Amino acid sequence: GENVEQHPSTLSVQEGDSAVIKCTYSDSASNYFPWYKQELGKRPQLIIDIRSNVGEKKDQRIAVTLNKTAKHFSLHITETQPEDSAVYFCAALTGANSKLTFGKGITLSVRP
Amino acid sequence: NAGVTQTPKFQVLKTGQSMTLQCAQDMNHNSMYWYRQDPGMGLRLIYYSASEGTTDKGEVPNGYNVSRLNKREFSLRLESAAPSQTSVYFCASSERGGPGLEPQHFGDGTRLSIL
Repeated sequence: GENVEQHPSTLSVQEGDSAVIKCTYSDSASNYFPWYKQELGKRPQLIIDIRSNVGEKKDQRIAVTLNKTAKHFSLHITETQPEDSAVYFCAALTGANSKLTFGKGITLSVRP
Repeated sequence: NAGVTQTPKFQVLKTGQSMTLQCAQDMNHNSMYWYRQDPGMGLRLIYYSASEGTTDKGEVPNGYNVSRLNKREFSLRLESAAPSQTSVYFCASSERGGPGLEPQHFGDGTRLSIL
């Protein structure tokens, strides 16, 4: 089955700096890659997603890039703010079984 | 605009007790999912229902059963609770499963402790 790994497990940045969170996946048939943000005690919320026929997608300060050859995708957050502090989960969907496989999450801390 | 509603929000059980976690969505989604979240483990799929009338096992189905009662509701049952099932349980739904999957929308979670 699919295996999704996130690197690093924790990340601390200064407010205003950029943050990059990388995920790797194992199944070359995976075709959908969402990113979820989870604040402490809250539900995971989708912040951006990308499909396998697209290399990059942007939404204001957030972007996701996909490298199908290397089987990795990354979340880029520019001009970080304290409210960006949260756990971020990446996931990959394999079309054959329609199940999302999540990474273990990365804790992002933005220092004021 | 409720989205995905889970009940209860918190529950404490004794080992061996049974319990059903309820989930309902009002977005007319076809697919529904149950996950558990443990520290450092991310979200792990317990069971899912790709459409009304179907259910399938996920990554960690042992000790659980599910019922897709109708298109709106998907319940998770613990027949004989064990301390290893202490976790936060999330229900999610999406318009459809399979290729072209729409984003999954999560409920607020049920925090379950088993003593």
